[in-house]
Amino acid sequence: GAVVSQHPSWVICKSGTSVKIECRSLDFQATTMFWYRQFPKQSLMLMATSNEGSKATYEQGVEKDKFLINHASLTLSTLTVTSAHPEDSSFYICSSLGTSGAHEQYFGPGTRLTVT
Amino acid sequence: AQKVTQAQTEISVVEKEDVTLDCVYETRDTTYYLFWYKQPPSGELVFLIRRNSFDEQNEISGRYSWNFQKSTSSFNFTITASQVVDSAVYFCALKGPPGGGNKLTFGTGTQLKVEL
Repeated sequence: GAVVSQHPSWVICKSGTSVKIECRSLDFQATTMFWYRQFPKQSLMLMATSNEGSKATYEQGVEKDKFLINHASLTLSTLTVTSAHPEDSSFYICSSLGTSGAHEQYFGPGTRLTVT
Repeated sequence: AQKVTQAQTEISVVEKEDVTLDCVYETRDTTYYLFWYKQPPSGELVFLIRRNSFDEQNEISGRYSWNFQKSTSSFNFTITASQVVDSAVYFCALKGPPGGGNKLTFGTGTQLKVEL
């Protein structure tokens, strides 16, 4: 299957600072990537769909100015949590469709964000 | 609207027991795709299987088997002779037809604990 990496795997930041999380497709070109958020013992919540070269599509209730998504190349999408607050602490996971026409998403290992 | 229900929040079994994880879905689409993902304690979701709505054949892969029943809108997952390494959260997910945005609708997950 396709390989997706995320960096960093975990990050601790102070309230009010911004944090950037990178999601890379390592062995394929990803025109579409997805960003999820997962709270402890809960399911994945889709935050946004990121398309290369265009603006991300955010799910209802997700603040686009708070969670900035950039998909500048076919192998990289970034999520920036701006002016982070403790309630933004969560597990953030990206995924990508494997290849053109594929249906299954392949997930990165996730990034655990803790805002103090 | 699409919905996936995993009624079993947590299941505990003793190693070598067989265990079935239930998944019931709702959709108005005639073409759709069903998935199972495994999330071990490390956090990374691992793709296990995809099943297309027009293919009701059951599938077996080693100790894993899947039973897709359109008549009852179920896509159950059975692990035979469970092992401690099977301990994880398992998510069932649903995706609509091609061109519909490729979004996955996840169930709430089933925590499987396999003990010695």
